[in-house]
Amino acid sequence: AQKVTQAQTEISVVEKEDVTLDCVYETRDTTYYLFWYKQPPSGELVFLIRRNSFDEQNEISGRYSWNFQKSTSSFNFTITASQVVDSAVYFCALTQSPFYNQGGKLIFGQGTELSVKP
Amino acid sequence: EAGVVQSPRYKIIEKKQPVAFWCNPISGHNTLYWYRQNLGQGPELLIRYENEEAVDDSQLPKDRFSAERLKGVDSTLKIQPAELGDSAVYLCASSLDGGSKAKNIQYFGAGTRLSVL
Repeated sequence: AQKVTQAQTEISVVEKEDVTLDCVYETRDTTYYLFWYKQPPSGELVFLIRRNSFDEQNEISGRYSWNFQKSTSSFNFTITASQVVDSAVYFCALTQSPFYNQGGKLIFGQGTELSVKP
Repeated sequence: EAGVVQSPRYKIIEKKQPVAFWCNPISGHNTLYWYRQNLGQGPELLIRYENEEAVDDSQLPKDRFSAERLKGVDSTLKIQPAELGDSAVYLCASSLDGGSKAKNIQYFGAGTRLSVL
């Protein structure tokens, strides 16, 4: 069975602090995708990143960075110099890829609510 | 490019009443998903369409829920009759899968928040 665990329910930081959101996943599939989504108070899930199981390179996009480690089944997300606008619920998700280029259902974690205070 | 559009944004009904949600996916996206998100939880898939075909409806409570995607574009999700436990946010997502331009990334609408009294 596939499962995603986000052990941190809530995190509160002060603006400009760095913060890391943890994500641990379980799957028996050898080919899979991992995702991070942001859900601001407006409710819409905003796509942040997709990583496939064969690509363990870390990625940086502006103040965001992601660390994927297959050895520990983790896909952690770091926000550098956090800002008030980063306040939202962040979801890590997993999907299997039975066929190349085919979609599949997302298995979401419980989410981590990040609060960035000025 | 317009995103996934859902309506209504909010719906309040009494239990045992019917309710319907509408979704217009991103233009050209062949796969459409309906998810339910309970308070404080991550979304859970209800049904997935590839074009007009429902390819995964294993988690759809078929005794009271139904969905359709006529012509492979817009989709409607219906609950009849609604129960108190159906109160949740219903999210629609779409993606472009298969072929050389496939992205396999699900883009979500803002959702419909349903309250059953």
